[in-house]
Amino acid sequence: EVQLVESGGGLVQPGGSLRLSCAASGFTFSSHSMNWVRQAPGKGLEWVSYISGDTTTMNYADSVKGRFTISRDSARNSLYLQMNSLRDEDTAVYYCARGEATNGWLIDYWGQGTLVTVSP
Amino acid sequence: EVVLTQSPGTLSLSPGERATLSCRASGTVYSNHLAWYQLKPGQAPRLLISGASWRATGIPDRFSGSGSGTDFTLTIRRLEPEDFAVYYCQRYDISPRTFGQGTKVEVK
Repeated sequence: EVQLVESGGGLVQPGGSLRLSCAASGFTFSSHSMNWVRQAPGKGLEWVSYISGDTTTMNYADSVKGRFTISRDSARNSLYLQMNSLRDEDTAVYYCARGEATNGWLIDYWGQGTLVTVSP
Repeated sequence: EVVLTQSPGTLSLSPGERATLSCRASGTVYSNHLAWYQLKPGQAPRLLISGASWRATGIPDRFSGSGSGTDFTLTIRRLEPEDFAVYYCQRYDISPRTFGQGTKVEVK
């Protein structure tokens, strides 16, 4: 069974940093691209970042480019999101999401999310 | 900017009724790379439909997707109590992989 479990969320002040983690199990981690998607309170879903299975390709939404860094560790079956220079508008539930095997841009499984709150 | 517009914003229906949700893209979605997801509070989002019309594994056949180009539809044939949720479309042919703003299906 595919499982994605996020951790690392919490309360952080504007300008601060936070590192999210996602523990993956139930599939061959290195064979799948991975994503972070977020949902701000009362808002819709926003794709944040993508990393290919071989780590050669990373993409970011314009709203986080230059502040967030996606990475992965296949030895630990883990995905990460380093978030720097956090802003109020980064407050959201952050979901870890798997890319489908044949089309890595299609998200086929999601975690339950971790809440990040940016507030003084 | 690539935009996906979902309508209506909220759909108020009774169990057993048919739900029709629309997703319109500001530009052609190539190869019909359009997906639908279901979100319920406190749960992981779930993939329902990919490729505009292909049901994901384990999705009941009361869910169906249709459309091509710029206009897409998610139909829930007969609403079950567990279907009341928020539904999002997403295009995955280009980056950024934009989502629509969502349609809430609520109990009338």
